[in-house]
Amino acid sequence: RKEVEQDPGPFNVPEGATVAFNCTYSNSASQSFFWYRQDCRKEPKLLMSVYSSGNEDGRFTAQLNRASQYISLLIRDSKLSDSATYLCVVNRGGSNYKLTFGKGTLLTVNP
Amino acid sequence: GAGVSQSPSNKVTEKGKDVELRCDPISGHTALYWYRQSLGQGLEFLIYFQGNSAPDKSGLPSDRFSAERTGGSVSTLTIQRTQQEDSAVYLCASSSTSGGARTDTQYFGPGTRLTVL
Repeated sequence: RKEVEQDPGPFNVPEGATVAFNCTYSNSASQSFFWYRQDCRKEPKLLMSVYSSGNEDGRFTAQLNRASQYISLLIRDSKLSDSATYLCVVNRGGSNYKLTFGKGTLLTVNP
Repeated sequence: GAGVSQSPSNKVTEKGKDVELRCDPISGHTALYWYRQSLGQGLEFLIYFQGNSAPDKSGLPSDRFSAERTGGSVSTLTIQRTQQEDSAVYLCASSSTSGGARTDTQYFGPGTRLTVL
């Protein structure tokens, strides 16, 4: 099993749609979880951290299920500007600095 | 303030040549990371510097790869005798880490796109 696995997509959705991304991780010792966003030919940027209780930032909601080693990102009322690759990121168990990145899920929001 | 900067933005080299890639972290950030992103692949950790501590080089793919960080700021990643499989985007990141248990946010530079012919 890969350390971090994501559905590669691509996801093509109309503006205003709700879209959900899923991610699984293999190392049960991992403690820190993130979603990064990467625009085409640009660097990754932190979208949000993922907390055990789940957390929301505007139209974005992240959830963590430690028992299932599963992370999700929900985007509501999607905008054209949400088009990007979404990277699931997990710290390697036992390390507070080594991050393992998923390959990303490509989202295209269409007018 | 200024973000992480990297140079050059693009580098084309011939197989067998050496290349140097530079990273200027955010001022005051003590932690610096190098990653590699190959086409269609996730980011691959290469090396980590934290203050004056010995770097974590566990991600370097071969002894052709080395990195230095001078004065706790600027870092240079050197690839000797480049091979075609070294072609990738090399990304640098920095963070203001407390060294505690929490994983700090990493801020990435724009990357250097390396093409080995």
